[in-house]
Amino acid sequence: EAQVTQNPRYLITVTGKKLTVTCSQNMNHEYMSWYRQDPGLGLRQIYYSMNVEVTDKGDVPEGYKVSRKEKRNFPLILESPSPNQTSLYFCASSLDRNSANYYGYTFGSGTRLTVV
Amino acid sequence: GQNIDQPTEMTATEGAIVQINCTYQTSGFNGLFWYQQHAGEAPTFLSYNVLDGLEEKGRFSSFLSRSKGYSYLLLKELQMKDSASYLCAVNAGNNRKLIWGLGTSLAVNP
Repeated sequence: EAQVTQNPRYLITVTGKKLTVTCSQNMNHEYMSWYRQDPGLGLRQIYYSMNVEVTDKGDVPEGYKVSRKEKRNFPLILESPSPNQTSLYFCASSLDRNSANYYGYTFGSGTRLTVV
Repeated sequence: GQNIDQPTEMTATEGAIVQINCTYQTSGFNGLFWYQQHAGEAPTFLSYNVLDGLEEKGRFSSFLSRSKGYSYLLLKELQMKDSASYLCAVNAGNNRKLIWGLGTSLAVNP
């Protein structure tokens, strides 16, 4: 089944403890992206990647890191999480820069992160 | 700046028709998407419009007018399971990023 897999679904952590949220897609998609979703603020892009070893900042990159060493994986790293990073996080993928327009994005099931 | 507007909330009755509007002002335009999102779940792709006109997909239709910066999503024969948030998003052509509206929360009542 074609899908984007995120783990974990739920995570409660303490301020300053490094964590990684994994994202993997089995559709050979080139484009991958991370979003956070907060009430009243909607979906905001954190980082995106056009292809392997090509990443760039989105609208709210502060406090986050990403890497794209393989086409299928795009982990989101919080080196020192803070309470303002408590949010619902989504990973999304699409075939490439042009196909993203037509086929849309496929989203992972989400990770609800709480930083205390 | 880039801006997408859609109503915050709407209510409708099971079996009825509802139209959710979206207006946008963006620096460029490479297409408009509609997504459905149930509470706590991932957005799922509904439709894509890049040319003016109506695209029909079963009970859902989406319309685009580029000159007016306007789109709507039409849901027919409403069912309880259509209660969800509906997100409008525009590809503004800037690094292929999507500009997202805040979503319209639709409640379908029996």
